[in-house]
Amino acid sequence: GAGVSQSPSNKVTEKGKDVELRCDPISGHTALYWYRQSLGQGLEFLIYFQGNSAPDKSGLPSDRFSAERTGGSVSTLTIQRTQQEDSAVYLCASSLKGIKAGGSYEQYFGPGTRLTVT
Amino acid sequence: KNQVEQSPQSLIILEGKNCTLQCNYTVSPFSNLRWYKQDTGRGPVSLTIMTFSENTKSNGRYTATLDADTKQSSLHITASQLSDSASYICVVSGETGGFKTIFGAGTRLFVKA
Repeated sequence: GAGVSQSPSNKVTEKGKDVELRCDPISGHTALYWYRQSLGQGLEFLIYFQGNSAPDKSGLPSDRFSAERTGGSVSTLTIQRTQQEDSAVYLCASSLKGIKAGGSYEQYFGPGTRLTVT
Repeated sequence: KNQVEQSPQSLIILEGKNCTLQCNYTVSPFSNLRWYKQDTGRGPVSLTIMTFSENTKSNGRYTATLDADTKQSSLHITASQLSDSASYICVVSGETGGFKTIFGAGTRLFVKA
């Protein structure tokens, strides 16, 4: 597709269950970012992938959160043992180049996955 | 502490009127500042991007200004339309050293007929 896609668009899960959120970045984009947006709050950075470099995980709120990016393309954000405070919209973005490449890092966002933990 | 503060938190204007949204930041060192528009239920979409050497950038009816000395930016919307109703997010990126991009909480704009 032409833009960043995410799936599912909505996810309702019970407290304690694990969830996986998927992001398909724009083809050819080397950098991929995950953010969390709680109701009425600004975007919170979670993790950043750039090419084959080790990801910047400094924004992950706890060890229940992890993410991987396979083949430099699709990324999966996994939340284990979900808690109610994990309820939020999870946004993925990609950019042609990342910070370390020194190029422009205009970020293109997907529509997000709305996660509700009951 | 690196911060981005936006004001007002929300704003209601009549269709056709102009408005100005404010962004103050303390991110240092500074690399660039972007304004995004986020429609309800959608991801943010970039409106403008400015480096420290630029003090104004336009995109149609949207004009962003930047004062790197006072660390302030504004987004001016001219002749507002109903479709301008959205959240407007100021995003400031640091220069080097890993990922340092700070998002403001946004200004929620409502344009009424």
